[in-house]
Amino acid sequence: EAQVTQNPRYLITVTGKKLTVTCSQNMNHEYMSWYRQDPGLGLRQIYYSMNVEVTDKGDVPEGYKVSRKEKRNFPLILESPSPNQTSLYFCASSRLAGGGNTGELFFGEGSRLTVL
Amino acid sequence: DAKTTQPPSMDCAEGRAANLPCNHSTISGNEYVYWYRQIHSQGPQYIIHGLKNNETNEMASLIITEDRKSSTLILPHATLRDTAVYYCIVRVGGATNKLIFGTGTLLAVQP
Repeated sequence: EAQVTQNPRYLITVTGKKLTVTCSQNMNHEYMSWYRQDPGLGLRQIYYSMNVEVTDKGDVPEGYKVSRKEKRNFPLILESPSPNQTSLYFCASSRLAGGGNTGELFFGEGSRLTVL
Repeated sequence: DAKTTQPPSMDCAEGRAANLPCNHSTISGNEYVYWYRQIHSQGPQYIIHGLKNNETNEMASLIITEDRKSSTLILPHATLRDTAVYYCIVRVGGATNKLIFGTGTLLAVQP
């Protein structure tokens, strides 16, 4: 089954304790992206990757890091989490847009993070 | 990417057609209209997209006006499981994978 898998789905942590949210897709997609969703603000893009070893900032990258060492994985790293990073996080993947492909995004089920 | 305007909420009776409007008056000729939905706090789910012609798939139909300044997503026989936030997004096809989500329309299907 084609899917995007995120872990953990729920996490409560404390300020400053490094954490990683993993994301894996089994569709051989080139493009992967992280979004956060907050009440009243909708979904905002954090980082994205067009392919292995190619990453770039989205609209709200501060406080986050990513890596793309393998095509299927795109972990989101919070080096020193703060309470304002309490949010619902979504990973998404797609084929690259272009060449007749319009790049529909497939989303994971979300990771709800609380930073105390 | 062009901005879209959607009503914040709508109701629909179970079994009836749900018609969700979207205005995108500044849409460019090469921008597609996409619809996604988000059920509760699950990941958004792709529904349908189109450029200028009307489109239909197993989930829904997309009607785009001739001037392309507005569109309507039609769920032909709404069920309780269709209760969700529906997002209308315009994006240049083939240029970027990025989607910019607005606040969408909360569709409440009533029994």
